[in-house]
Amino acid sequence: KAGVTQTPRYLIKTRGQQVTLSCSPISGHRSVSWYQQTPGQGLQFLFEYFSETQRNKGNFPGRFSGRQFSNSRSEMNVSTLELGDSALYLCASSLAGQEYNEQFFGPGTRLTVL
Amino acid sequence: GNSVTQMEGPVTLSEEAFLTINCTYTATGYPSLFWYVQYPGEGLQLLLKATKADDKGSNKGFEATYRKETTSFHLEKGSVQVSDSAVYFCALPSTGGGADGLTFGKGTHLIIQP
Repeated sequence: KAGVTQTPRYLIKTRGQQVTLSCSPISGHRSVSWYQQTPGQGLQFLFEYFSETQRNKGNFPGRFSGRQFSNSRSEMNVSTLELGDSALYLCASSLAGQEYNEQFFGPGTRLTVL
Repeated sequence: GNSVTQMEGPVTLSEEAFLTINCTYTATGYPSLFWYVQYPGEGLQLLLKATKADDKGSNKGFEATYRKETTSFHLEKGSVQVSDSAVYFCALPSTGGGADGLTFGKGTHLIIQP
Protein backbone atom coordinates (compact mmCIF):
# COMPACT_ATOMS: atom_id res chain seq x y z
CA LYS A 1 0.00 0.00 0.00
CA ALA A 2 1.29 3.44 -0.84
CA GLY A 3 1.96 5.68 2.14
CA VAL A 4 0.77 9.19 2.81
CA THR A 5 2.02 11.56 0.15
CA GLN A 6 2.38 15.31 0.42
CA THR A 7 3.04 17.85 -2.28
CA PRO A 8 5.01 19.91 -2.73
CA ARG A 9 7.90 18.83 -0.52
CA TYR A 10 9.46 22.27 -0.41
CA LEU A 11 8.00 25.70 -0.87
CA ILE A 12 9.37 29.22 -0.64
CA LYS A 13 6.95 32.13 -0.41
CA THR A 14 7.10 35.77 0.60
CA ARG A 15 5.13 37.52 3.29
CA GLY A 16 1.57 38.31 2.33
CA GLN A 17 1.25 35.53 -0.21
CA GLN A 18 -0.96 32.50 0.21
CA VAL A 19 -0.11 28.84 -0.14
CA THR A 20 -1.94 25.56 -0.66
CA LEU A 21 -0.52 22.24 0.48
CA SER A 22 -1.85 18.87 -0.58
CA CYS A 23 -2.09 15.52 1.16
CA SER A 24 -3.15 12.13 -0.19
CA PRO A 25 -3.91 9.65 2.58
CA ILE A 26 -3.39 5.93 2.56
CA SER A 27 -6.06 4.21 0.51
CA GLY A 28 -9.09 3.47 2.67
CA HIS A 29 -8.22 5.99 5.36
CA ARG A 30 -10.97 8.49 5.97
CA SER A 31 -9.40 10.72 8.61
CA VAL A 32 -6.75 13.29 7.77
CA SER A 33 -5.03 15.48 10.34
CA TRP A 34 -2.61 18.34 9.81
CA TYR A 35 0.21 19.41 12.12
CA GLN A 36 2.69 22.24 12.17
CA GLN A 37 6.21 21.47 13.37
CA THR A 38 8.59 24.23 14.41
CA PRO A 39 11.75 24.16 16.54
CA GLY A 40 10.20 26.45 19.12
CA GLN A 41 6.67 25.09 19.46
CA GLY A 42 7.24 21.49 18.46
CA LEU A 43 4.34 19.60 16.89
CA GLN A 44 1.01 21.36 17.04
CA PHE A 45 -2.36 20.12 15.84
CA LEU A 46 -3.95 22.26 13.13
CA PHE A 47 -7.17 20.45 12.19
CA GLU A 48 -8.73 17.09 11.47
CA TYR A 49 -11.08 16.04 8.69
CA PHE A 50 -13.26 12.99 8.54
CA SER A 51 -15.57 12.24 5.64
CA GLU A 52 -15.17 15.76 4.25
CA THR A 53 -16.08 17.40 7.57
CA GLN A 54 -13.74 19.34 9.79
CA ARG A 55 -14.29 17.84 13.19
CA ASN A 56 -11.93 20.02 15.13
CA LYS A 57 -9.35 22.75 14.85
CA GLY A 58 -6.35 23.61 16.94
CA ASN A 59 -5.42 27.01 18.28
CA PHE A 60 -4.45 28.69 15.02
CA PRO A 61 -5.72 31.90 13.42
CA GLY A 62 -8.35 31.89 10.72
CA ARG A 63 -5.64 32.34 8.07
CA PHE A 64 -5.19 28.59 8.34
CA SER A 65 -7.93 26.62 6.64
CA GLY A 66 -8.41 23.28 5.03
CA ARG A 67 -10.77 20.97 3.26
CA GLN A 68 -11.21 17.34 2.41
CA PHE A 69 -12.51 15.90 -0.81
CA SER A 70 -14.75 12.90 -1.39
CA ASN A 71 -11.71 10.73 -2.13
CA SER A 72 -10.28 11.70 1.30
CA ARG A 73 -7.51 13.82 -0.20
CA SER A 74 -7.01 16.98 1.77
CA GLU A 75 -5.63 20.43 1.24
CA MET A 76 -4.64 23.12 3.67
CA ASN A 77 -4.39 26.77 2.85
CA VAL A 78 -2.55 29.56 4.59
CA SER A 79 -3.40 33.08 3.54
CA THR A 80 -1.47 36.29 4.16
CA LEU A 81 1.70 34.44 5.06
CA GLU A 82 3.81 35.64 7.96
CA LEU A 83 7.45 34.88 8.73
CA GLY A 84 6.33 32.78 11.69
CA ASP A 85 4.47 30.42 9.38
CA SER A 86 7.79 28.95 8.27
CA ALA A 87 7.57 25.35 9.40
CA LEU A 88 7.30 21.73 8.41
CA TYR A 89 3.66 20.90 7.76
CA LEU A 90 2.81 17.28 8.34
CA CYS A 91 -0.25 15.43 7.24
CA ALA A 92 -1.36 12.20 8.88
CA SER A 93 -4.07 9.74 7.98
CA SER A 94 -5.84 7.11 9.99
CA LEU A 95 -8.43 4.50 9.25
CA ALA A 96 -11.45 5.81 11.10
CA GLY A 97 -10.20 8.67 13.21
CA GLN A 98 -10.70 6.89 16.50
CA GLU A 99 -8.38 7.70 19.37
CA TYR A 100 -6.81 4.28 19.30
CA ASN A 101 -6.15 4.38 15.58
CA GLU A 102 -2.54 4.98 14.81
CA GLN A 103 -1.79 7.89 12.54
CA PHE A 104 0.45 7.46 9.53
CA PHE A 105 2.45 10.52 8.63
CA GLY A 106 3.61 11.84 5.30
CA PRO A 107 7.10 13.27 4.72
CA GLY A 108 5.87 16.81 5.19
CA THR A 109 6.01 20.05 3.24
CA ARG A 110 8.79 22.40 4.27
CA LEU A 111 7.44 25.97 3.94
CA THR A 112 9.83 28.89 4.10
CA VAL A 113 8.40 32.41 4.25
CA LEU A 114 10.79 35.20 3.32
CA GLY B 1 -6.89 18.27 27.33
CA ASN B 2 -4.27 15.59 27.73
CA SER B 3 -0.59 16.41 28.00
CA VAL B 4 2.77 14.66 27.85
CA THR B 5 6.22 15.43 29.23
CA GLN B 6 9.39 13.85 27.97
CA MET B 7 13.08 14.42 28.47
CA GLU B 8 14.37 16.64 25.69
CA GLY B 9 18.03 15.79 25.33
CA PRO B 10 20.05 15.64 23.30
CA VAL B 11 20.87 12.22 24.63
CA THR B 12 24.25 10.95 23.48
CA LEU B 13 25.13 7.28 23.89
CA SER B 14 27.73 4.88 22.61
CA GLU B 15 26.73 2.01 20.36
CA GLU B 16 25.40 -1.02 22.28
CA ALA B 17 24.49 1.08 25.31
CA PHE B 18 21.13 0.74 27.09
CA LEU B 19 18.58 3.42 26.28
CA THR B 20 15.78 4.87 28.37
CA ILE B 21 13.75 7.90 27.30
CA ASN B 22 11.29 8.98 29.96
CA CYS B 23 7.72 9.94 29.15
CA THR B 24 4.96 10.81 31.59
CA TYR B 25 1.45 11.86 30.72
CA THR B 26 -1.63 13.54 32.15
CA ALA B 27 -4.91 12.29 30.78
CA THR B 28 -8.55 11.70 31.44
CA GLY B 29 -9.17 8.00 31.46
CA TYR B 30 -6.75 5.57 29.85
CA PRO B 31 -5.99 6.70 26.33
CA SER B 32 -3.78 4.91 23.84
CA LEU B 33 -0.11 5.88 24.04
CA PHE B 34 2.36 6.10 21.18
CA TRP B 35 6.04 6.51 20.44
CA TYR B 36 6.93 8.06 17.10
CA VAL B 37 10.38 8.46 15.57
CA GLN B 38 11.54 11.10 13.12
CA TYR B 39 14.69 10.58 11.07
CA PRO B 40 16.44 13.62 9.57
CA GLY B 41 14.47 15.15 6.73
CA GLU B 42 11.53 12.80 7.12
CA GLY B 43 8.06 12.71 8.62
CA LEU B 44 7.10 10.77 11.72
CA GLN B 45 6.94 6.99 11.83
CA LEU B 46 5.02 5.06 14.43
CA LEU B 47 7.53 3.09 16.48
CA LEU B 48 5.18 1.35 18.90
CA LYS B 49 1.91 1.78 20.73
CA ALA B 50 -0.07 0.51 23.70
CA THR B 51 -3.84 0.75 23.84
CA LYS B 52 -4.54 -0.16 27.47
CA ALA B 53 -2.94 -0.19 30.88
CA ASP B 54 -0.15 -2.75 31.41
CA ASP B 55 0.17 -3.29 27.66
CA LYS B 56 3.71 -3.51 26.35
CA GLY B 57 4.39 -2.17 22.90
CA SER B 58 7.48 -3.38 21.08
CA ASN B 59 9.14 -2.96 17.70
CA LYS B 60 12.68 -3.10 16.31
CA GLY B 61 14.09 -3.91 19.75
CA PHE B 62 12.35 -0.96 21.40
CA GLU B 63 9.83 -1.51 24.18
CA ALA B 64 7.51 0.62 26.29
CA THR B 65 5.03 -0.42 28.98
CA TYR B 66 1.84 1.49 29.74
CA ARG B 67 2.03 2.13 33.51
CA LYS B 68 -1.17 3.72 34.79
CA GLU B 69 0.09 3.78 38.40
CA THR B 70 2.95 6.09 37.49
CA THR B 71 1.29 7.56 34.34
CA SER B 72 4.40 6.70 32.39
CA PHE B 73 5.33 5.16 29.05
CA HIS B 74 9.12 5.07 29.05
CA LEU B 75 10.92 3.94 25.91
CA GLU B 76 13.72 1.40 26.31
CA LYS B 77 16.16 -0.49 24.13
CA GLY B 78 18.77 -2.90 25.33
CA SER B 79 21.49 -2.19 22.78
CA VAL B 80 21.31 0.89 20.56
CA GLN B 81 22.83 1.21 17.11
CA VAL B 82 24.08 4.21 15.16
CA SER B 83 21.03 3.83 12.92
CA ASP B 84 18.79 4.59 15.94
CA SER B 85 19.96 8.20 15.88
CA ALA B 86 16.78 10.23 15.45
CA VAL B 87 14.24 12.32 17.33
CA TYR B 88 11.72 10.35 19.41
CA PHE B 89 8.28 11.65 20.33
CA CYS B 90 5.90 10.38 22.98
CA ALA B 91 2.26 11.08 22.10
CA LEU B 92 -1.34 10.50 23.11
CA PRO B 93 -4.74 11.64 21.82
CA SER B 94 -5.43 15.25 22.77
CA THR B 95 -8.88 14.26 24.04
CA GLY B 96 -11.07 11.22 23.79
CA GLY B 97 -12.64 10.42 20.46
CA GLY B 98 -9.73 11.02 18.13
CA ALA B 99 -11.01 14.20 16.51
CA ASP B 100 -8.48 16.46 18.18
CA GLY B 101 -5.36 14.79 16.87
CA LEU B 102 -2.38 13.81 18.96
CA THR B 103 -0.54 15.77 21.63
CA PHE B 104 3.19 15.28 21.35
CA GLY B 105 6.06 15.72 23.74
CA LYS B 106 8.82 18.13 22.76
CA GLY B 107 10.89 15.29 21.34
CA THR B 108 14.13 13.69 22.47
CA HIS B 109 17.07 13.96 20.12
CA LEU B 110 19.07 10.73 20.37
CA ILE B 111 22.65 10.61 19.10
CA ILE B 112 24.44 7.26 18.96
CA GLN B 113 28.19 7.36 18.54
CA PRO B 114 30.10 4.42 17.06
